[in-house]
Amino acid sequence: SQKIEQNSEALNIQEGKTATLTCNYTNYSPAYLQWYRQDPGRGPVFLLLIRENEKEKRKERLKVTFDTTLKQSLFHITASQPADSATYLCALGRSDSSYKLIFGSGTRLLVRP
Amino acid sequence: GAVVSQHPSRVICKSGTSVKIECRSLDFQATTMFWYRQFPKQSLMLMATSNEGSKATYEQGVEKDKFLINHASLTLSTLTVTSAHPEDSSFYICSAEVMGYSNQPQHFGDGTRLSIL
Repeated sequence: SQKIEQNSEALNIQEGKTATLTCNYTNYSPAYLQWYRQDPGRGPVFLLLIRENEKEKRKERLKVTFDTTLKQSLFHITASQPADSATYLCALGRSDSSYKLIFGSGTRLLVRP
Repeated sequence: GAVVSQHPSRVICKSGTSVKIECRSLDFQATTMFWYRQFPKQSLMLMATSNEGSKATYEQGVEKDKFLINHASLTLSTLTVTSAHPEDSSFYICSAEVMGYSNQPQHFGDGTRLSIL
């Protein structure tokens, strides 16, 4: 069955360091992958989308990579700030499935001041 | 732009009550909206895809008679949890996509915390 894995343990880093979050998937061939941020008691907020034919995408302090051979995406936050503390979700989608997304369970990031 | 409003944000009610949750796209039209359920520290699980003017498509294991979905206009979808029981307590979130675009992000509401006593 389709499976998306994100590290369930919280990632705890010092302010200013680079945070790297991992999303691995099996039994799936996504056309694109998205990363969302979710704060407690709130809905997810879209951050970045990367397509299967793209290796890397950047947006300000954020960078996403997508390796369809390894079936993995890495999400980086450079110069991290305490305000970056949240849960980050990856989601996979296929262009033939009416825009449906399959979400990972998320990784909680804690940035210490 | 692309704001999705979800109402109410929190509901506490007795077992057996039916609860309606509204999801509105405020500044765009959405032919497709999605309803998710999220338990603590778990992933968003897609419950159903709501299509304007037609019947919703439910995911495997989701009871369509329990979770009634109505998508009467391009900006409004409603989820009614009928005869709710404590096991239905969860965080329900809707999302919408901008009409006519594929491979675009979904825009999420801020969720409804449902607590059944």
